[in-house]
Amino acid sequence: DQQVKQNSPSLSVQEGRISILNCDYTNSMFDYFLWYKKYPAEGPTFLISISSIKDKNEDGRFTVFLNKSAKHLSLHIVPSQPGDSAVYFCAASGGSWGKLQFGAGTQVVVTP
Amino acid sequence: EAEVAQSPRYKITEKSQAVAFWCDPISGHATLYWYRQILGQGPELLVQFQDESVVDDSQLPKDRFSAERLKGVDSTLKIQPAELGDSAMYLCASSPSGARADTQYFGPGTRLTVL
Repeated sequence: DQQVKQNSPSLSVQEGRISILNCDYTNSMFDYFLWYKKYPAEGPTFLISISSIKDKNEDGRFTVFLNKSAKHLSLHIVPSQPGDSAVYFCAASGGSWGKLQFGAGTQVVVTP
Repeated sequence: EAEVAQSPRYKITEKSQAVAFWCDPISGHATLYWYRQILGQGPELLVQFQDESVVDDSQLPKDRFSAERLKGVDSTLKIQPAELGDSAMYLCASSPSGARADTQYFGPGTRLTVL
């Protein structure tokens, strides 16, 4: 069973606009959430994380929001840049050191 | 900058053949992970090593897959015999011992195609 779901396989956004990526999870034991970015022919790289004790974490142009009651998190990229074109994976674990469960990924394309 | 190395980058094989993938983690990283990423899905953990010991292989199809990390450094993942459904990207990652989940560093992966 898929415990982490990214229901949008792709997203196209204009350069300079906001990209919003969504992720839902089903396991209430998850309390640590991460976003990874993956370019073609490369492995995923860590982007940003959030603990369940927070509802927002910001790092430069990237902000992750967590809604525990809805079991939903989102990643906002503002402003979007061409270099942001990649696949973004949402991942979750039970605790900071737990096994990661990944979503299926969202392909983001930023157009000039 | 230190990186996780994997080889080969691409492998094409016929079903029922044996294949092997190699991973060299970042120096000093005690924890090593093998993931399988099927097209259109996210990575799924197959096996986790702490030094040379397996700490989680619950998702490893043990009838055909094996993994070893004999000296607690590099690691090999083997499939024998390969099946059509094994076509996927095989990712290796490493992290320092006891590190948080966000400190996993991934290699570029081996793309396996089984014909």
